[in-house]
Amino acid sequence: DAGVTQSPTHLIKTRGQQVTLRCSPKSGHDTVSWYQQALGQGPQFIFQYYEEEERQRGNFPDRFSGHQFPNYSSELNVNALLLGDSALYLCASSSVGAIQETQYFGPGTRLLVL
Amino acid sequence: SQQGEEDPQALSIQEGENATMNCSYKTSINNLQWYRQNSGRGLVHLILIRSNEREKHSGRLRVTLDTSKKSSSLLITASRAADTASYFCATGPYGGATNKLIFGTGTLLAVQP
Repeated sequence: DAGVTQSPTHLIKTRGQQVTLRCSPKSGHDTVSWYQQALGQGPQFIFQYYEEEERQRGNFPDRFSGHQFPNYSSELNVNALLLGDSALYLCASSSVGAIQETQYFGPGTRLLVL
Repeated sequence: SQQGEEDPQALSIQEGENATMNCSYKTSINNLQWYRQNSGRGLVHLILIRSNEREKHSGRLRVTLDTSKKSSSLLITASRAADTASYFCATGPYGGATNKLIFGTGTLLAVQP
């Protein structure tokens, strides 16, 4: 049973560029959440997708957008990259309504903005 | 913003010793979870404790929760070098529309062989 997978593992971009990160949830999960983890910090919630719609959003600007596909996989897009967007981006999957259940995290995509 | 803080920020112990990490949070919660992260990679779920539970065990892990003090502790007994990692507490906010997690700042644990 494959866990949560993310691609690519590493990415280098320059300021002003756009980036797309991808996530495939664990088998049987239908909800995908994205988190940003800056160096030395805990992860911060960006947004969550279910039924191809954004259910909840954290305190991130509109430059951060996402998409969920019918097969439950998801993309995170960041436009007009800033140096401060350099971070580890983590995807987590779960089942809708699983308030009291754990989320499963992928290995992350490390983004470096130069 | 982070939900709360973890204490200590860093902890160094010898193999075989016990390690205790504390977590404080700010708002009412549905549950509190502990995760481990090795060398800035993905998070591994360790244990979940619900808001109506006070203590939970899993193998060498013991978690306590005091909702009146908005705090939790993670005890790792008989530590091993392989336990070296960063440990994060994460809360599921009460009444939230989703199961989003709010993470603490983390404790870096180093277990010396």
